[in-house]
Amino acid sequence: GNSVTQMEGPVTLSEEAFLTINCTYTATGYPSLFWYVQYPGEGLQLLLKATKADDKGSNKGFEATYRKETTSFHLEKGSVQVSDSAVYFCALSDSNGANSKLTFGKGITLSVRP
Amino acid sequence: DTGVSQDPRHKITKRGQNVTFRCDPISEHNRLYWYRQTLGQGPEFLTYFQNEAQLEKSRLLSDRFSAERPKGSFSTLEIQRTEQGDSAMYLCASSSGTGERYGYTFGSGTRLTVV
Repeated sequence: GNSVTQMEGPVTLSEEAFLTINCTYTATGYPSLFWYVQYPGEGLQLLLKATKADDKGSNKGFEATYRKETTSFHLEKGSVQVSDSAVYFCALSDSNGANSKLTFGKGITLSVRP
Repeated sequence: DTGVSQDPRHKITKRGQNVTFRCDPISEHNRLYWYRQTLGQGPEFLTYFQNEAQLEKSRLLSDRFSAERPKGSFSTLEIQRTEQGDSAMYLCASSSGTGERYGYTFGSGTRLTVV
């Protein structure tokens, strides 16, 4: 079945540091890949997505590239801010059927200190 | 459009009681999903509707759980004879089409605590 593996957390960085959060996946079809972010006390928000191999998703300074050869979708940001402190979830959607439900990783908590 | 709304935000119930949650999706979205999220874990798929038809249910959805989406608009998730293991955040999401093109929009969730 489908699965998503995220690096172990939590991650603590200083403001303006470089961020990488690793995500690898296993899927039977040709999934779309997503990063969702959950700020304290709020619901999940779509951060970025990529629907096919070599696509790069980007938003708010975050980027992730769909790497089919390594089955990865690592999240990066060049300079993090305190406001980026949140929980980040990698997810995939496999539309080989009509459902296309999301399969999530466990999430990783990012804390950015001033 | 105000997005996906869930009600209530929090629910505390005694073990053995029944609870019902409501989700109002984005009005033009024909697909609606329920997920469950426990502490320290990512959301897990429970069930999915396309319009009013419930098309898939996870093995996580025991026979104590039932979901409906009458008329293809709002949805309800009912848990009968609640157990402490049911304590979790219950998330609703909606999408237009498969969701892969435009993403899935999540509500803020209903946090259930069974005491």
